[in-house]
Amino acid sequence: GDSVTQMEGPVTLSEEAFLTINCTYTATGYPSLFWYVQYPGEGLQLLLKATKADDKGSNKGFEATYRKETTSFHLEKGSVQVSDSAVYFCALRGSNYKLTFGKGTLLTVNP
Amino acid sequence: NAGVTQTPKFQVLKTGQSMTLQCAQDMNHNSMYWYRQDPGMGLRLIYYSASEGTTDKGEVPNGYNVSRLNKREFSLRLESAAPSQTSVYFCASSELGGRGNTEAFFGQGTRLTVV
Repeated sequence: GDSVTQMEGPVTLSEEAFLTINCTYTATGYPSLFWYVQYPGEGLQLLLKATKADDKGSNKGFEATYRKETTSFHLEKGSVQVSDSAVYFCALRGSNYKLTFGKGTLLTVNP
Repeated sequence: NAGVTQTPKFQVLKTGQSMTLQCAQDMNHNSMYWYRQDPGMGLRLIYYSASEGTTDKGEVPNGYNVSRLNKREFSLRLESAAPSQTSVYFCASSELGGRGNTEAFFGQGTRLTVV
């Protein structure tokens, strides 16, 4: 079945540092890929998405590129802010419409 | 625009009690989902409904039942609550999409404690 493996946390960075959170997936067919963010005490919000190979999703300075050859969708940001502190989830939606999530990565950004 | 609304927000149950978590969406989405979130486990799919009239088991369906009452509403029932069902429960909805390429919208969650 479909699965998502993402980098275990927690990740602690200083403000303005570079961020990478790795995500790889297993799925049949051509899944759509997503990154969601969860701020403390809230539900999940979509951060960015990509629906086909080589697509780049971007939002709020975050980027991720759909790499079919390596089955990866790594999240990057060039300069993190304290307000980026949250839990980040990689997810895929497969041909059966099921939405599968990774375990999440807690990011803490210190001033 | 309310989006996805879950009720209740908090609940404490005694072992063996039953309850139903309610979820409603006003975005005319076809697909709806129930997840549970536990520390270190991420989000695990309990049940989902790809479209009105269909439901399917997810990763952790044991101890739960669901009802897709209509296109708007998807409820989750615990028939006999157990401490292992202490968790935060999230409902989500999405459009079906031609290749399943549309985002899911989440409710604010229900924090359930079983004592």
